[in-house]
This record gives sequence, structure tokens and C-alpha cells, in this order.
Amino acid sequence: DAKTTQPNSMESNEEEPVHLPCNHSTISGTDYIHWYRQLPSQGPEYVIHGLTSNVNNRMASLAIAEDRKSSTLILHRATLRDAAVYYCIPYSGAGSYQLTFGKGTKLSVIP
Amino acid sequence: DAGVTQSPTHLIKTRGQQVTLRCSPKSGHDTVSWYQQALGQGPQFIFQYYEEEERQRGNFPDRFSGHQFPNYSSELNVNALLLGDSALYLCASSRGLLPNEQFFGPGTRLTVL
Repeated sequence: DAKTTQPNSMESNEEEPVHLPCNHSTISGTDYIHWYRQLPSQGPEYVIHGLTSNVNNRMASLAIAEDRKSSTLILHRATLRDAAVYYCIPYSGAGSYQLTFGKGTKLSVIP
Repeated sequence: DAGVTQSPTHLIKTRGQQVTLRCSPKSGHDTVSWYQQALGQGPQFIFQYYEEEERQRGNFPDRFSGHQFPNYSSELNVNALLLGDSALYLCASSRGLLPNEQFFGPGTRLTVL
């Protein structure tokens, strides 16, 4: 699996957009990029995933760099409920059925 | 839809004992994966069950074993508990083998004294 680098922590003001970066410079051409988040005292929660082009869903947007060596999870309007640890997970799917979580980015949202 | 449920929520055991944790997947899901999460770390993959067979295993010793039942629910068994087994144990379910959109349960907090 590709290695990832994420900031240990970030802060955002409530109701402002948040851009959570992830570097995955060793990613292969067929690796999907998954994002999960884990709210305090809960199990991880699927957020979004994509391969090449940008992806949007009701929770967030995923912007993938053209060279695919980095991606950014975008929360368009942070709420207090978005305070969580965010994990960026490249997934190859080549004979592997597991997700490899790193330490993620702890996002704090300031009221 | 109850989502993924796990039992018990908390458990305290002593070294050398054995423990069984249980998981019921989200309705419509047939695959269950188990993860161990130590304090301050991301979840670590233990193994995955599909069609009642272990399909993939992470870097965990044989003391960790599991089972999947015909109704897709699953058990995680840990024998000869060590202090280092203290962690949050998470169950995740999905449709099919690929871990797309895994749904996680709230976890079982295991404390080994």
C-alpha cells in the first residue's frame, strides 16, 4: 500500500470551508483514495473515495491532483459535528481486501 | 436499519484469559472485517470474513481467531490475553470482498489487567 502523509492536526472556524491535505506520492495508477473519519468515541465513518477525477457527495468533496500524488478532502462548511480524526487511505485492491489506516488528521472546529 | 452492532460495549479481563467479541453486520452486507485500535492510533486490520471463510489476515498472531455464521454475523476470539491486547476492537461490514464504503460499529473496549 502507498504511504500517506497527513498533518497531525488542523483547526477550523465553524461555518468556514476546510481543506484537509494528504500526500500519497507512492500511489499506483489503480489505487483508489478513500477517506474515513472517526468522531470521538465512535467507529470510523466512510466519507468519500475516488480514483482520478474530483468527486462530490453530500458529506464532502474530494479533489485529486492531476499527478495523483496528493488529494484534498474539502468540507464546504464546517460544523461542530465535523470535529473528528480524518484518515486518507490509498487502496490498491490488487489481492488485498484491507484498509490500512495511518494516524490521520485531528480536526478541531472552533465555534 | 440498526447499522453494525457489536457486543459487549466494554469488557475487562485478566492476562491469560480468553475473550469472544460479537458483531452483526449492516443489513444487506455479507462481509465482516475486524480491526484493533490502540489508544491514539489508527485502526489495524486483523482479518476479514466472507462466505464463512477467513479471506485475508493482517499481522496478528494465531491467538486471534474468528468465525462467520450463515447469517453473516461474526465473532472474534482472542486466547491467552496479554496486556497489550487492551484496545478498541472494531467490526466493519461491506458488500463483497472489496472494502468500499465499509460501515463500522461502535467497537468493544477491551481492558486486560
